[in-house]
Amino acid sequence: DTGVSQNPRHKITKRGQNVTFRCDPISEHNRLYWYRQTLGQGPEFLTYFQNEAQLEKSRLLSDRFSAERPKGSFSTLEIQRTEQGDSAMYLCASSFRGLVDEQFFGPGTRLTVL
Amino acid sequence: AQSVTQLDSHVSVSEGTPVLLRCNYSSSYSPSLFWYVQHPNKGLQLLLKYTSAATLVKGINGFEAEFKKSETSFHLTKPSAHMSDAAEYFCVVSVGNQGGKLIFGQGTELSVKP
Repeated sequence: DTGVSQNPRHKITKRGQNVTFRCDPISEHNRLYWYRQTLGQGPEFLTYFQNEAQLEKSRLLSDRFSAERPKGSFSTLEIQRTEQGDSAMYLCASSFRGLVDEQFFGPGTRLTVL
Repeated sequence: AQSVTQLDSHVSVSEGTPVLLRCNYSSSYSPSLFWYVQHPNKGLQLLLKYTSAATLVKGINGFEAEFKKSETSFHLTKPSAHMSDAAEYFCVVSVGNQGGKLIFGQGTELSVKP
């Protein structure tokens, strides 16, 4: 399968714990995006990378959130000291920079913070 | 700033009848617009995209959308609904001058009655 993959698919954690999610984009895509989707809402942009450079971070991304894409391939999103408000679906998407950025989405990681 | 407004949070149709999902956009630039579909427990899938070529855009599964600049609208239609069309639909605008991040509408849940 050559689509975007995300791991784990589900994560349940206790408040205050750290969690890390991984995203593997489509191999030739140089842009990678993270979004967050809460129940009944559309996805909201968090951050994006072009190759290994993180070019933009949303104000939604507090200091407890950090994302990396060390070799311009896979990316990780870490949440430190999780809070119940962090419970959401975390979506990753990738695209190849061109005339129009058509983004391909992974299945998401559903985080539940107890 | 770019934004999209989906005018209906829920639409219910009978199988075989037409579908109309409404979307208005706001953009400072010539926009790139998309419709994505999200089936339960599945990833977001691109239905169609508008990129300043033809104003009537055809997508997958018989869906199409018409870009109307004068009305700042990008409504999604399908002549005949199928049970498998039941899903959440998102109207999306690309912030092309900011790395292509996507701004999603709130979503419209489409129900199809037999």
